[in-house]
Amino acid sequence: ETGVTQTPRHLVMGMTNKKSLKCEQHLGHNAMYWYKQSAKKPLELMFVYNFKEQTENNSVPSRFSPECPNSSHLFLHLHTLQPEDSALYLCASSQDIGRGSNQPQHFGDGTRLSIL
Amino acid sequence: TQLLEQSPQFLSIQEGENLTVYCNSSSVFSSLQWYRQEPGEGPVLLVTVVTGGEVKKLKRLTFQFGDARKDSSLHITAAQPGDTGLYLCAGARGANNLFFGTGTRLTVIP
Repeated sequence: ETGVTQTPRHLVMGMTNKKSLKCEQHLGHNAMYWYKQSAKKPLELMFVYNFKEQTENNSVPSRFSPECPNSSHLFLHLHTLQPEDSALYLCASSQDIGRGSNQPQHFGDGTRLSIL
Repeated sequence: TQLLEQSPQFLSIQEGENLTVYCNSSSVFSSLQWYRQEPGEGPVLLVTVVTGGEVKKLKRLTFQFGDARKDSSLHITAAQPGDTGLYLCAGARGANNLFFGTGTRLTVIP
């Protein structure tokens, strides 16, 4: 299996539920990212990890909690979400952020999250 | 503050027509990337432009980076239904942080 894989593809949850999104990359990359994609808004960067260390938290509410146990796996733990958190959550990876800003990011197909 | 504005937001054209999508900013970027996103999928990189004034061609797609590295354009010649999708520009600043544009949703009608 190659590329960036996200599971689940679709998730419906209530505001009081706890769930987790999973991302796995088989590209040998060391940087991983979480983005939020909402209708009529640009992709919003949420978190960046490089060699398992968080390097960016873009003022994301604490109800979103990322975890990066190794360079191949990234999780987004969800707790007490709000209806406005309904969106497509995309994971991406790149070689590593130390190699400069021109390297491409490889995206998964996203998890479509709906908050009831 | 929206760093990158794309225009038009929506574009619906007939197969065979030409089109241009614009990506504008008041900020300077070290490079600019273009992605295409199809329904139900994540964005896929089309091209990266690095040098001011650079022009890159990918079959029927021509990408140009502005001289001042603040803007870019994507021109598609003889559009085909397979070109349908959301086109995203993304400017790079700092350590591989990409700032994405507002997107242009293109529909090519057979």
